Amino acid sequence: DQQVKQNSPSLSVQEGRISILNCDYTNSMFDYFLWYKKYPAEGPTFLISISSIKDKNEDGRFTVFLNKSAKHLSLHIVPSQPGDSAVYFCAATNSGSARQLTFGSGTQLTVLP
Amino acid sequence: NAGVTQTPKFRILKIGQSMTLQCTQDMNHNYMYWYRQDPGMGLKLIYYSVGAGITDKGEVPNGYNVSRSTTEDFPLRLELAAPSQTSVYFCASSDRVSNYGYTFGSGTRLTVV
Repeated sequence: DQQVKQNSPSLSVQEGRISILNCDYTNSMFDYFLWYKKYPAEGPTFLISISSIKDKNEDGRFTVFLNKSAKHLSLHIVPSQPGDSAVYFCAATNSGSARQLTFGSGTQLTVLP
Repeated sequence: NAGVTQTPKFRILKIGQSMTLQCTQDMNHNYMYWYRQDPGMGLKLIYYSVGAGITDKGEVPNGYNVSRSTTEDFPLRLELAAPSQTSVYFCASSDRVSNYGYTFGSGTRLTVV
């Protein structure tokens, strides 16, 4: 039972355009959401997060949007750069837990020069 | 500042052998985690710890054991290795007050033959 789903295994975008990565969740207890970025042979690195009390959080080129009613979040990268090419994982947690994260299966983003 | 250090980076085990994956963090984080990542899948939680002397099972604990005798170290023990344990293992840590972002190690790629 996948509680966090990333239905697109891969995405290709032209440099300078917008990249939109999507994530759906089923567990209503999740109230905090995160995006991680992973390069080959490295561990994931934290990118951006959002609390369920917000619907948008922005950090430079990265913006995360949360639609609680649809149990959907998305990560927008504008403008996309070749260095953004990586696997992006969506993760979710309940703030009352011991901070265990539930991860999606990841989306491989390729930014074409 | 080394962050989270995992050793070894690669290992090949024969079925039935045992080994310990080492994980050390130097950030004085209370929370530590072990995840495994199978090809095309997200990260699944094996075990976690909220402080020295306290450990608990995650989603996929069978075949593994952990201990947390110090804040810094969180080793993962595999007893009687099986081919199903072929995976990439990530250790991570976090503190009480951050934005839930984990700091991950670079991973251990384990193959059981």
